[in-house]
Amino acid sequence: QVTLKESGPALVKPTQTLTLTCTFSGFSLSTSGMRVSWIRQPPGKALEWLARIDWDDDKFYSTSLKTRLTISKDTSKNQVVLTMTNMDPVDTATYYCARTSCSSTSCYLDYWGQGTLVTVSS
Amino acid sequence: AIQMTQSPSSLSASVGDRVTITCRASQGIGNDLGWYQQKPGKAPKLLIYAASSLQSGVPSRFSGSGSGTDFTLTISSLQPEDFASYYCLQDYNYPWTFGQGTNVEIK
Repeated sequence: QVTLKESGPALVKPTQTLTLTCTFSGFSLSTSGMRVSWIRQPPGKALEWLARIDWDDDKFYSTSLKTRLTISKDTSKNQVVLTMTNMDPVDTATYYCARTSCSSTSCYLDYWGQGTLVTVSS
Repeated sequence: AIQMTQSPSSLSASVGDRVTITCRASQGIGNDLGWYQQKPGKAPKLLIYAASSLQSGVPSRFSGSGSGTDFTLTISSLQPEDFASYYCLQDYNYPWTFGQGTNVEIK
């Protein structure tokens, strides 16, 4: 079955770089049509889509965070890594990764990890 | 970026009620919209994709409709396990954007 799990530091200091890893099973990012997205949710607030990487290494980013985000994949390890530079307390959130599937007309996030809470504080 | 406006932001309803949540896009998005349910402390769960397609395993009391700019999620008969937050997500173009969420509470 498809599973995803996020890992990374629970606490980072302002201005530091955050590195999060999504480790998944049940599918391969070397298979045509496979994709993984990152989404975050500040405490008590709405979801925010951050980035997506595809099987062919196409990458897509949030417009407002594009200069701070990098998404990459390690197909051999079944992992997707998201880095976010210059962290600020407003970046405190639960970060999720999700498998992204696409039909002929639409894409959707069909399997999600449990999320990992990242707090930005000195 | 396309703005997604959900309404209401919260509602109170009773078990058995018919519940409708709407999502309006700031520009036409075809049928490139999904609906997600989130319970406290849990990851979101996909309910509906492509505006009206029911995800496998999701109860048939959930349905989605709409195209262009106006979309609706309907729960035909609210069950105790449906009390949660609901979000729409447009995948028409980048960046993908979520609505601000609707919290469905017990009346």
